Amino acid sequence: EAQVTQNPRYLITVTGKKLTVTCSQNMNHEYMSWYRQDPGLGLRQIYYSMNVEVTDKGDVPEGYKVSRKEKRNFPLILESPSPNQTSLYFCASSEIDSTSYEQYFGPGTRLTVT
Amino acid sequence: AQSVTQLDSQVPVFEEAPVELRCNYSSSVSVYLFWYVQYPNQGLQLLLKYLSGSTLVKGINGFEAEFNKSQTSFHLRKPSVHISDTAEYFCAVSFSYNTDKLIFGTGTRLQVFP
Repeated sequence: EAQVTQNPRYLITVTGKKLTVTCSQNMNHEYMSWYRQDPGLGLRQIYYSMNVEVTDKGDVPEGYKVSRKEKRNFPLILESPSPNQTSLYFCASSEIDSTSYEQYFGPGTRLTVT
Repeated sequence: AQSVTQLDSQVPVFEEAPVELRCNYSSSVSVYLFWYVQYPNQGLQLLLKYLSGSTLVKGINGFEAEFNKSQTSFHLRKPSVHISDTAEYFCAVSFSYNTDKLIFGTGTRLQVFP
C-alpha cells in the first residue's frame, strides 16, 4: 500500500529537549516536505526537499532542521523545542514534474512542548 | 503576493442539505487548485483538483467544485451532505512556476448535524 508514515503520532516533551519526528514514504517520490498546522492558520510549509541531499527552507523554518540522506526518509529535527512549536505536523511527498500534481500526506504528529 | 482565502472558518449544516465551502485565491500567474479533506485524527486526503480544461470538476464522495477565473474562486459544493462528511476542508493552490509548492487556506470545518 502506497503511504507516508510518521512517528511518533503523539509526543509531549519539555522545552529544550531535542527531538526527531520521522517520515518515510514508499512511493519513490523525489519531493518531500514538512508542514505545521495551527488553528486559524491552515498548513504552512516548514522545509522541503527536491531529492537526496537537497533541502530548502519553506515559509516557517525557524527552529527546525531536516535531512535527506535517503530518498524515502525525511526526518524533522527540533534541536531545542519551545512552546511555540506546539502544533500538528504533517509530512508529505509527491513526484516532481508529475501530471497529477497530487501530494500524499502522512497521518500527522501532534507535538506538545511544555 | 499569492494567497488563498477561505472565508468561512465553520459551516454547520443539517444532514441531506446542500453545502458550499468558499475559496478565493490571489495570483498573477496560472494556478492549479485543490481541495483536501481532513477527517478527525487523520492526515489530508485529496478531494478533487483543477489543472486545466473543464471548469467543473468532480471529486470523491459526491463533491464538486467550479473554477471561476474572473472571480478567482474555486468553491466546493455537495448537493446533499452526510454525517460522515463532517471534517475540515482545505483549499490549496500551486503555481505554474512551482507546481510542488502548495499554499493552503486556513480551512473550513464542516459540521453535519442529524
